[in-house]
Amino acid sequence: AQRVTQPEKLLSVFKGAPVELKCNYSYSGSPELFWYVQYSRQRLQLLLRHISRESIKGFTADLNKGETSFHLKKPFAQEEDSAMYYCALRDGGSNYKLTFGKGTLLTVNP
Amino acid sequence: NAGVTQTPKFQVLKTGQSMTLQCAQDMNHEYMSWYRQDPGMGLRLIHYSVGAGITDQGEVPNGYNVSRSTTEDFPLRLLSAAPSQTSVYFCASSPGRGGNSPLHFGNGTRLTVT
Repeated sequence: AQRVTQPEKLLSVFKGAPVELKCNYSYSGSPELFWYVQYSRQRLQLLLRHISRESIKGFTADLNKGETSFHLKKPFAQEEDSAMYYCALRDGGSNYKLTFGKGTLLTVNP
Repeated sequence: NAGVTQTPKFQVLKTGQSMTLQCAQDMNHEYMSWYRQDPGMGLRLIHYSVGAGITDQGEVPNGYNVSRSTTEDFPLRLLSAAPSQTSVYFCASSPGRGGNSPLHFGNGTRLTVT
């Protein structure tokens, strides 16, 4: 069974500091990894997907198959980055289902 | 496009009551799903559908029914509400499988069962 682990429920950093939100997964096949974000009083939205290798709002995430990780990083955190972040995994084969981690609440302090 | 629309936004039920949470999308997406969001538990998949007439169970299906008679609509039914079903419910859709098909979420329905 596929599983996504986000070891930190809460993460607090100061503005301008680097931030890393950890995500580890267990899956035997070829996974598709995503990061979703939920800002206060807004709907969940896609932030990043590993297949695109993109940088969104200064965030990047690299899929490390050896370590089965997909950590989200940003070199200089901003107050507007404060939100709940969810790592998610989908079977790269025929399965549509998305499995989410429990989420990390990031607070960026001024 | 309105995207994914959920109604109602808030609902209070008494134990044993039934209700239907509505979800509609206007993007012609194949895939639709229901998640519940609980503190410390993240999002857990309740039911999902890969097309009209096709539904399947997710991680926590007990106490919930779904149907998919049209591509646009995917209602979630609580037949006999229980306090354990107090949660925030999200409907999500996507065009299909693959990394180019991220989920589009609705705004959520906050349900309280007393």
